[in-house]
Formats: sequence, structure tokens, C-alpha cells
Amino acid sequence: QVQLQESGPGLVKPSQTLSLTCTVSGGSISSGSYYWNWIRQPAGKGLEWIGRIYSSGSTNYNPSLKSRVTISVDTSKNQFSLNLSSVSAADTAVYYCAREVGGWYNYWGQGTLVTVSS
Amino acid sequence: QLVLTQSPSASASLGASVKLTCTLSSGHSSFAIAWHQQQPEKGPRYLMKLNSDGAHSKGDGIPDRFSGSSSGAERYLTISSLQSEDEADYYCQTWGTGIQVFGGGTKLTVL
Repeated sequence: QVQLQESGPGLVKPSQTLSLTCTVSGGSISSGSYYWNWIRQPAGKGLEWIGRIYSSGSTNYNPSLKSRVTISVDTSKNQFSLNLSSVSAADTAVYYCAREVGGWYNYWGQGTLVTVSS
Repeated sequence: QLVLTQSPSASASLGASVKLTCTLSSGHSSFAIAWHQQQPEKGPRYLMKLNSDGAHSKGDGIPDRFSGSSSGAERYLTISSLQSEDEADYYCQTWGTGIQVFGGGTKLTVL
């Protein structure tokens, strides 16, 4: 059974960079035709796609966040990571990682809350 | 532009059935979608992938009470024999070249 677990600071100051890691267990991040995604959800709101990475390192980003987002993969650690720069209060959300197969998400992490505040 | 539209809320009685709708934007009626359930204070859970012809494949452990169907640009999630734990937010999701799109979600209340 594949499991994904987000980790990282729960509090980030405005203008700084938010950094999160997703650790994948129960399967290799570099096997199969999977994309590895980041999605976020502000309190009381819907889901917003941030971006994704293939094991080869190929990425796609949400155009509305593209200038601030970098997603990377570390196959040796079976992890992928999110960096979101120049954060503001609007970036406060629960951040999820998810595995995508053929377009849809079949496994999700439990999510981690990141608050942007001084 | 690829957009998914969902009604914000729905309600049905315990033991009854409910049909939730997700509508694809014009020009995208052939697209497949996926349905995800988010129970209160939990992360989303994959329910099923649903094709334009109504064929669907469910995630591991998803009960037979959950089924999907399609008509034109509309994709449906039907939940029968409603249980209290079905009270949740339901999101549809679709994808295009290099993009992912979510519907706004439907909050289901079980009366």
C-alpha cells in the first residue's frame, strides 16, 4: 500500500520561502508512470493544484503560482519537495501531496498545515 | 478553458440515495474525471475515475454503494444507502496537457 507523508515547518514568515517534503513509502518514486503532485487547501475553501513532477524531473506548474514555485525530486530518498517563495498570508493552507496516475490522483497524503505569519 | 462546475451543497436522508453532479466546460465533454471524498478534518480520498461513457474504476476499499455515470458533459456520483460517514465534501477533478483542475466541491449533508 502506497503512503505519502508531508513534512515541514508549520509556520513561515511573510516574504520567506515555504519548504515542504513528501516522503513516499510502499513503492519507489521512480517506478511506474506516475506524476507526484502538490495541492493546497485554504481553510474552508476548495482544492488548488500547485504543480507536479515526474521521476525524470520534468515539471508542470499552476500558471497562477508558476513564478514562485519549484518542485524537485530526490529518488535516492524516495521524496519530492515543494518550495514556494515570497509567501504571504494568502498562502496559508493545508498542503497535500498526491500520486497521479494517468491524470487522476489515486493516493493522497494526510496534509500539513502551513501558516504564514510574523 | 477547462473548468469543472459543482453545486455547493446537497442533502439527503439517512438510508436514501443522492446523485452529485460535476459539469465539464464547453468543448470538454469527452474528458474523464475523478471523484474524491473529503470527510471533515481529513485529507481527500480517491473514490473513482469516471470516463465519458460511464465506465468507472474505483479505488481500493470503496463500497459498492458508490457508483458513477456520465451524460454528455455531466459526470455523476451516486451514493446509495446513505450512511452518516458519507457526510463529506466531494470534489471532481480532471486534467489536460500539463494542468490539473478541481471543481469547487459539493458539501453533502446526511439528514
